[in-house]
Amino acid sequence: DIQMTQSPSSVSASVGDRVTITCRASQGISSWLTWYQQKPGKAPKVLIYAASNLQSGVPSRFSGSGSGTDFTLTISSLQPEDFATYYCQQANSFPFTFGPGTKVDIK
Amino acid sequence: QVQLQESGPGLVKPSQTLSLTCTVSGASISSGGYYWSWIRQHPGKGLECIGYIYYTGSTFYNPSLKSRVTISVDTSKNQFSLKLSSVTAADTAVYYCARFEVMTSGIDSWGQGTLVTVSS
Repeated sequence: DIQMTQSPSSVSASVGDRVTITCRASQGISSWLTWYQQKPGKAPKVLIYAASNLQSGVPSRFSGSGSGTDFTLTISSLQPEDFATYYCQQANSFPFTFGPGTKVDIK
Repeated sequence: QVQLQESGPGLVKPSQTLSLTCTVSGASISSGGYYWSWIRQHPGKGLECIGYIYYTGSTFYNPSLKSRVTISVDTSKNQFSLKLSSVTAADTAVYYCARFEVMTSGIDSWGQGTLVTVSS
């Protein structure tokens, strides 16, 4: 299985801050990387697919980059509704494994 | 707008079989272009892929669960199902059904999730 790691595991930030989350795959996955946001008690919601493509309806303050093994999710200006847990998922080979998550909370 | 809804018992006894059904509305499972998925989340933990099924019946199971998992599809009812046998307390989790879009390689729709507790 491809192992996914994320850093940091948690980050405390303020509204307006720029936040960057890193996801690393244990082997190359080309651009087959998706980012999700999950709020407590809710199902995850897709933000970015194929590493850098913004899902329809997702605010443009979210962006993704990377290919191969290293990827980043950036929130350019954190908004109150962005406090949540963020997961990456690889879809290069089955099982499509998730990263352990990064919790973004209020500073 | 596609909607997915999980249904099934919320409490299962150890060693028994967990059975869940996902009913899809707003889209046809038979339309192609999507894998229909089961994903679980242990309390307070991350997400684990259980398996996927295509409308043709082709399946992909997580190797860590493969010996205990069966995913099936009923296109006439627009439903797909999960069976997980010989459950233990370690299978207590929120179970989500979801739609994985082949073109984007991402999950674009999720059910609300259902908590299944394994306990005697």
